[in-house]
Amino acid sequence: EAGVTQSPTHLIKTRGQQATLRCSPISGHTSVYWYQQALGLGLQFLLWYDEGEERNRGNFPPRFSGRQFPNYSSELNVNALELEDSALYLCASSFSGGANEQFFGPGTRLTVL
Amino acid sequence: GQQLNQSPQSMFIQEGEDVSMNCTSSSIFNTWLWYKQDPGEGPVLLIALYKAGELTSNGRLTAQFGITRKDSFLNISASIPSDVGIYFCAGLDNYGQNFVFGPGTRLSVLP
Repeated sequence: EAGVTQSPTHLIKTRGQQATLRCSPISGHTSVYWYQQALGLGLQFLLWYDEGEERNRGNFPPRFSGRQFPNYSSELNVNALELEDSALYLCASSFSGGANEQFFGPGTRLTVL
Repeated sequence: GQQLNQSPQSMFIQEGEDVSMNCTSSSIFNTWLWYKQDPGEGPVLLIALYKAGELTSNGRLTAQFGITRKDSFLNISASIPSDVGIYFCAGLDNYGQNFVFGPGTRLSVLP
């Protein structure tokens, strides 16, 4: 069974640009979660989507946004990139609802120059 | 919001030694998950715990859900070089809506 997939693996942008990161959940999972992991730090919760709706949002500015498509894949958009947005962005999926075990993808490494 | 603490923050051990780490909070958590993250990769789920007092093993790994529901422990027996990585705990919050992640314990295994 395929795991969570993320693309691209690496992304390099300059300050002020926009970045789009993509995630495909495990088949049968309808919840998708996004986390930011800055170098050497823990996971900071960004967004949770379930059944196409945003269910919860972490303490991040509005320039971090996303959506979930009818096939449950998800996109994370980061506008007006800042240097401190450089991090590993991890996507996880689970069965519907936040109480189920989350399975992570390999991440997208975003570098902002 | 609810927060988790992990200790130790980092540890260096000799290959073959046993490892103990824990995850604590001032709040009650329902369900505990333990993950391992290799450098540059996503965390991999190791063990899930659902009931207070529950003790679960996965090979050389053993984890326990604390009786008070405010802590969890992970033990690794007979460590090997591939155990190197960051171990994260995650607890399901009181509302049963979200998992809160700890800051991680970084494990280094010396040959």
